[in-house]
Amino acid sequence: QQQVKQSPQSLIVQKGGISIINCAYENTAFDYFPWYQQFPGKGPALLIAIRPDVSEKKEGRFTISFNKSAKQFSLHIMDSQPGDSATYFCAASLPYGNNRLAFGKGNQVVVIP
Amino acid sequence: NAGVTQTPKFRILKIGQSMTLQCTQDMNHNYMYWYRQDPGMGLKLIYYSVGAGITDKGEVPNGYNVSRSTTEDFPLRLELAAPSQTSVYFCASREAGGLDTQYFGPGTRLTVL
Repeated sequence: QQQVKQSPQSLIVQKGGISIINCAYENTAFDYFPWYQQFPGKGPALLIAIRPDVSEKKEGRFTISFNKSAKQFSLHIMDSQPGDSATYFCAASLPYGNNRLAFGKGNQVVVIP
Repeated sequence: NAGVTQTPKFRILKIGQSMTLQCTQDMNHNYMYWYRQDPGMGLKLIYYSVGAGITDKGEVPNGYNVSRSTTEDFPLRLELAAPSQTSVYFCASREAGGLDTQYFGPGTRLTVL
């Protein structure tokens, strides 16, 4: 059973547009929600992460919005660039769980010039 | 720092063969993880370790074994390779306490025929 569900599965965005990827989770005990970025042939790399005590976190062009009551969080990529074309994974982990991450299935984002 | 390194990059095995996937990190991280990534399925945790001499099962441990004799190394052993183990394998590490960032290696692509 997938503990963390992502949508949409793939996304095509024009350069300069906004990419939005959504993630839903079931376990209300999760307390850490990272987004990882993966380029073809590479390992995933942490992009941005949030804890449920805040509703939004911004780092450069990347923003996480967190809705605790809806059990959802989303990644917004502002001013999308061709270099942002990658697969994005949301994940979640429990407190005192040794940071074992439950990953979503991933979203492929393609930014066209 | 080289970060997390994995060898080999690619390997083809015959059914029933065995092999060890190597993972080394030079960041003195206590926590280490093994994931497998199948197309469209995200990453699944196989095994993890919270320090030398301590290992535990993740979500999909069947068919695999691990050991952790040093802080730096966390090899993953496949004893009787099966086609279902065809996947890309990623090793990751994290420092104890502080940030929850997991640092991933470049992966090993394994095909079992």
